[in-house]
Amino acid sequence: KQEVTQIPAALSVPEGENLVLNCSFTDSAIYNLQWFRQDPGKGLTSLLLIQSSQREQTSGRLNASLDKSSGRSTLYIAASQPGDSATYLCAAPSGSARQLTFGSGTQLTVLP
Amino acid sequence: NAGVTQTPKFQVLKTGQSMTLQCAQDMNHEYMSWYRQDPGMGLRLIHYSVGAGITDQGEVPNGYNVSRSTTEDFPLRLLSAAPSQTSVYFCASSTGLFSYEQYFGPGTRLTVT
Repeated sequence: KQEVTQIPAALSVPEGENLVLNCSFTDSAIYNLQWFRQDPGKGLTSLLLIQSSQREQTSGRLNASLDKSSGRSTLYIAASQPGDSATYLCAAPSGSARQLTFGSGTQLTVLP
Repeated sequence: NAGVTQTPKFQVLKTGQSMTLQCAQDMNHEYMSWYRQDPGMGLRLIHYSVGAGITDQGEVPNGYNVSRSTTEDFPLRLLSAAPSQTSVYFCASSTGLFSYEQYFGPGTRLTVT
C-alpha cells in the first residue's frame, strides 16, 4: 500500500526566501506525482504533475523534482511571497493507479 | 467553464439523517471521485467512477453510496449520518484514472451532531 509523508508539517519563512518542501513515498512504482496547493477553506489546486519519466517540472517560481529510486519528491519555491502562504500537498497513485494517496501537507506561512 | 462545482458549501445534520452531496463537472471528464479530508489524516478516497454507470469503492466507503447516471454528475449519499462522518468532502474529476491531473471542487463542510 502506498504511503506518502510530508515533513515538516508547518514552515514559516520571511518573504523573499527560497524554500524546499519535501514529500516521500513508499511504493516507487508510480506513474507520476502531483503537487497541490490548498488555501484555507478552499479546494485543492493542481500546481505540478511530474511524470515518472521526468526528473523535473517547472511552472513559474515553482520547480518539482522526482527521484523514484529514493522515493522522494521536492517542491522548490523561489523568492517566496506572502501570497504563497497555503498548505501544500503531494499525492502519488498506487501501483495500480486505482487510488491516489495524499500526504498530510505542509502548511507554509510567508511573513512580510 | 465552471470546472467542478459542489453543493451545498456547508451542512449540519443530526445523527441518523440522510442527505446527498452534489457534484458536477463541465469538462466532459470520464473519471470522478469523492474524498473526505480530516485533520491529521489527509484526503482519503471514498468512491470513484470511471464513467456513467460504473462506480467502485475507495479506501473508506462504509456509510456512503454513489451512482453515476450522467457524465456530468456524481452525487454522494449519506444513508444514516453519524458523528464520525463530520468532515470536509471534496469531489474531483480527471481525464483518466488517478495517474492523470485531478481537478477538485471547493468542498462541502459537513457537521453531524
